[in-house]
Amino acid sequence: KQEVTQIPAALSVPEGENLVLNCSFTDSAIYNLQWFRQDPGKGLTSLLLIQSSQREQTSGRLNASLDKSSGRSTLYIAASQPGDSATYLCAVLTGGGNKLTFGTGTQLKVEL
Amino acid sequence: GAVVSQHPSWVICKSGTSVKIECRSLDFQATTMFWYRQFPKQSLMLMATSNEGSKATYEQGVEKDKFLINHASLTLSTLTVTSAHPEDSSFYICSAREPVRGRETQYFGPGTRLLVL
Repeated sequence: KQEVTQIPAALSVPEGENLVLNCSFTDSAIYNLQWFRQDPGKGLTSLLLIQSSQREQTSGRLNASLDKSSGRSTLYIAASQPGDSATYLCAVLTGGGNKLTFGTGTQLKVEL
Repeated sequence: GAVVSQHPSWVICKSGTSVKIECRSLDFQATTMFWYRQFPKQSLMLMATSNEGSKATYEQGVEKDKFLINHASLTLSTLTVTSAHPEDSSFYICSAREPVRGRETQYFGPGTRLLVL
């Protein structure tokens, strides 16, 4: 059974800092890995999707890496802003490309 | 990008009543839709996979007679929580997969918050 863990569970940083969020998964037989953002009481916003054959993806201040063999991914956020405050979820697609398993989430707070 | 809507966004009901939540793909046809549940401070847990025109596939531990899923068309799936109880209070999120983009792309709805009194 695939299990996805995210560290840290919560993070508070001052504005402008660069930060790294970690995601690990137990079964390396994945199709892809995706990072989402969730604001309080809201649905999910997809940030980055990395296919199993890829090493990283970048979008603006966000960079996600994937080490499939070790079961790890990191989300790097450069020059953090208060608007980045949210819960960040990683999810891996397995089960014949049909099942998304979500991590436990990292609650990020960027303070002025 | 593809848009998925959910209705209602908020529902409060009395214990013992049934609640229906709709999930619609607005600008694409979705042969497969997924229903997730999220309890406070926890991550999303897949409840069931809904395929148009066939019975839903439920995850282990999810009661199919309590959570009725109907995927009658390529743009609409419904989740009915039957005889709801306070422990069913949760945030329910659906997602839809767009076939032409490949099986890896799921688009998520904004969620429905259910509070059972």
